[in-house]
Amino acid sequence: EVQLVESGGGLVKPGGSLRLSCAASGFTFSQAAMSWVRQAPGKGLEWVGRIKKKSDDGTAVYAAPVQGRFTISRDDSENTLYLQMNSLKTEDTAVYYCTTYRGYMDVWGKGTTVTVSS
Amino acid sequence: DFVMTQSPDSLAVSLGERATINCKSSQSVLSSSNNKNFLAWYQQKPGQPPKLLISWASTRESGVPDRFSGSGSGTDFTLTISSLQAEDVAVYYCQEYYATPFTFGQGTKLEIK
Repeated sequence: EVQLVESGGGLVKPGGSLRLSCAASGFTFSQAAMSWVRQAPGKGLEWVGRIKKKSDDGTAVYAAPVQGRFTISRDDSENTLYLQMNSLKTEDTAVYYCTTYRGYMDVWGKGTTVTVSS
Repeated sequence: DFVMTQSPDSLAVSLGERATINCKSSQSVLSSSNNKNFLAWYQQKPGQPPKLLISWASTRESGVPDRFSGSGSGTDFTLTISSLQAEDVAVYYCQEYYATPFTFGQGTKLEIK
């Protein structure tokens, strides 16, 4: 069964940092492009960024609101995707979803909640 | 950046009746290289992550009931549920994947009348 399990969410103060993880199973992780999508409380979906598979150059692209603050990386040996979030703002409060990515997002994890508050 | 606008914002339909959700893109999502529309539809039930229903504007995902269908091309798209079931209560989102940053519509909340 294809599965994505996010972890690492929590409460952090503005200006703080957090690293989210996404453990993948049931498919060949190294052959998959991946992305992060977030959803603020009571709001719609917002694409955060995506990372290509290493054989396609492995580069990451980000949405403007997180560019320069967030970094997506992957460890194919551990089948894990990461989202390093620095200089967090209150508006980053959201559920963060890890997804497989083919342009559209076909498999989604259940999400992990990040709350940025003083 | 693309702007995706869904209509209506909310919709109440009787069980067994047809539900129609529209999505308009600020720019065409039709690729001239492969003649495909880079448009997806998702369903999000309360307390759950989104689920991909349709890609390429009209290709239903495996396991998605055939009462769900997608249509349209260029800038105007429609998600149709031919006969509404109780389990279809959800928020539905369209998303373009023609170019980054990939943009979602604001969502359409579907309820039972």
